[in-house]
Amino acid sequence: GENVEQHPSTLSVQEGDSAVIKCTYSDSASNYFPWYKQELGKRPQLIIDIRSNVGEKKDQRIAVTLNKTAKHFSLHITETQPEDSAVYFCAASIPLSGAGSYQLTFGKGTKLSVIP
Amino acid sequence: DSGVTQTPKHLITATGQRVTLRCSPRSGDLSVYWYQQSLDQGLQFLIQYYNGEERAKGNILERFSAQQFPDLHSELNLSSLELGDSALYFCASSPGQGIYNEQFFGPGTRLTVL
Repeated sequence: GENVEQHPSTLSVQEGDSAVIKCTYSDSASNYFPWYKQELGKRPQLIIDIRSNVGEKKDQRIAVTLNKTAKHFSLHITETQPEDSAVYFCAASIPLSGAGSYQLTFGKGTKLSVIP
Repeated sequence: DSGVTQTPKHLITATGQRVTLRCSPRSGDLSVYWYQQSLDQGLQFLIQYYNGEERAKGNILERFSAQQFPDLHSELNLSSLELGDSALYFCASSPGQGIYNEQFFGPGTRLTVL
């Protein structure tokens, strides 16, 4: 099955600095890579995603890059703010044998702390 | 608020017992997914239903079962509970079953097995 590794497990940055979280996946059939943000005690929420036919995607201060050859993808947050403090999860989606079925495999998360 | 509801919020029970977790998807969403979140394993996909039918199975134990009803709500049944089943259980929903459908997570049910 798919295996997603995520690094680092914890990350502390000064407010205004950039943060980068990296993930690798094992199955070359994976073709969709969402990123979720989970604030303390709350539900995971999708913040950005990228499809396998795209190399980079940006949304304001957040960007995701994908290198299919190397099977890794990264989340970049620029000009970090205290409200960016949360746990971030990467995920890889692999289609399964049944019609319309696929499975999201998550990384173990990165706890980002933005220090004011 | 994602529009996905889960009940109960907290559940405390003993080993060997059986519990049922309930999820109501967002209005119009046909797919429901169940996840288990524990400190050491992260978010683990358990099972997916689409319009009442099972679509995909992940790391779901044989002691666990789920179903999706005609009104599209879903229940996750956990039986012969063990201490290691203590975790946060999330339900998510999406409009369709396709790979690019965003999954909206509910608030979760925290299960504690004593």
